[in-house]
Amino acid sequence: EAGVAQSPRYKIIEKRQSVAFWCNPISGHATLYWYQQILGQGPKLLIQFQNNGVVDDSQLPKDRFSAERLKGVDSTLKIQPAKLEDSAVYLCASSKGGARSSYEQYFGPGTRLTVT
Amino acid sequence: AQSVAQPEDQVNVAEGNPLTVKCTYSVSGNPYLFWYVQYPNRGLQFLLKYITGDNLVKGSYGFEAEFNKSQTSFHLKKPSALVSDSALYFCAVVRDKIIFGKGTRLHILP
Repeated sequence: EAGVAQSPRYKIIEKRQSVAFWCNPISGHATLYWYQQILGQGPKLLIQFQNNGVVDDSQLPKDRFSAERLKGVDSTLKIQPAKLEDSAVYLCASSKGGARSSYEQYFGPGTRLTVT
Repeated sequence: AQSVAQPEDQVNVAEGNPLTVKCTYSVSGNPYLFWYVQYPNRGLQFLLKYITGDNLVKGSYGFEAEFNKSQTSFHLKKPSALVSDSALYFCAVVRDKIIFGKGTRLHILP
């Protein structure tokens, strides 16, 4: 079974530029998550999709971050414009279950973003 | 408000000794509880979970965790540590949303 795929693995941009990350979840997984992991901290949920609907985006900075999951499969996360404090690893995960899921999550390798 | 705490930034254990990585939580109702592990240069991996039932749950790589409702804890344990267990461990709580702890770095000394 193929795992969660993410690209790019690394990205360096200047502040005020835009950037996009892509995620392809495990086939058949209904739920997709985007997390931000700042160095020395645990992952923070940015947005959770169930199929192509948003379940939770309460911690997504909507003035600069956006995400979509068209057709309920792969997803993109965009930052525009980027700030220095956006430097972090962006993790994508997927799971079988629904909104309050008892199913474990499968994580991709992450995208390390550096904003200079 | 939901919260999860991992009170130790780092735990050092000699190989062959038992290990414990602590996790406490604050949430109303009955949460789901998870442990994940992050090895160097690898993504987060699921270790084990508590949903309901027996308070002692067993997971991958010989790890187990004990759910204690009265102490609101879900400590991760292993009877005999291996050097290969050295990694970053995260506790997570799912109630209205999922919240991860800040992580505990486990260092097993040969």
